[in-house]
Amino acid sequence: DTGVSQDPRHKITKRGQNVTFRCDPISEHNRLYWYRQTLGQGPEFLTYFQNEAQLEKSRLLSDRFSAERPKGSFSTLEIQRTEQGDSAMYLCASSLVAVSPYEQYFGPGTRLTVT
Amino acid sequence: GENVEQHPSTLSVQEGDSAVIKCTYSDSASNYFPWYKQELGKGPQLIIDIRSNVGEKKDQRIAVTLNKTAKHFSLHITETQPEDSAVYFCAASISPPNTGFQKLVFGTGTRLLVSP
Repeated sequence: DTGVSQDPRHKITKRGQNVTFRCDPISEHNRLYWYRQTLGQGPEFLTYFQNEAQLEKSRLLSDRFSAERPKGSFSTLEIQRTEQGDSAMYLCASSLVAVSPYEQYFGPGTRLTVT
Repeated sequence: GENVEQHPSTLSVQEGDSAVIKCTYSDSASNYFPWYKQELGKGPQLIIDIRSNVGEKKDQRIAVTLNKTAKHFSLHITETQPEDSAVYFCAASISPPNTGFQKLVFGTGTRLLVSP
């Protein structure tokens, strides 16, 4: 399967704990995006990378959130000191700028539940 | 603004009927309008998209129309099948002020139910 993959698919954590999610984009896609999706809503943009550079961050991304893409391939999203309001589906998407930067392909998501 | 409105929120049709979902956007600079299908427990799947230099695009039973003047775009599904049942999201590329960046802003989704 050459699509976007995310790990883990589900994560249950207690409030105050740190969690880290991983995204592997489609091979050779140079742009990688993170979104958050809550129940009954569409995905909301969090941040994106072009290669290893993080170029834009949403106001939704508080100081407790950090994302990296160290070698321009996979990316990690870390949430520190989780809160119940962080419970959501975290989606990763990738695109190839040379073809169309906006034609984004999504992974299956990581569903986070904070208890 | 960064607003994409989508209607209806739920749509029930009989198998074989057509389904139409409509979206409006607010940013006149928007130039890319994709549609995604999301099944339960899965990520959104890109099913069709349209760019601002085109008024209509068709792919088998799915078509999308764009009216840039009115800032409307619509998804049309003909000859619906039970496997079309899912949540459908529209999106528009939007440029936040004072950035050189365009992001996708999504509508709130339409739950389509196709009954056999």
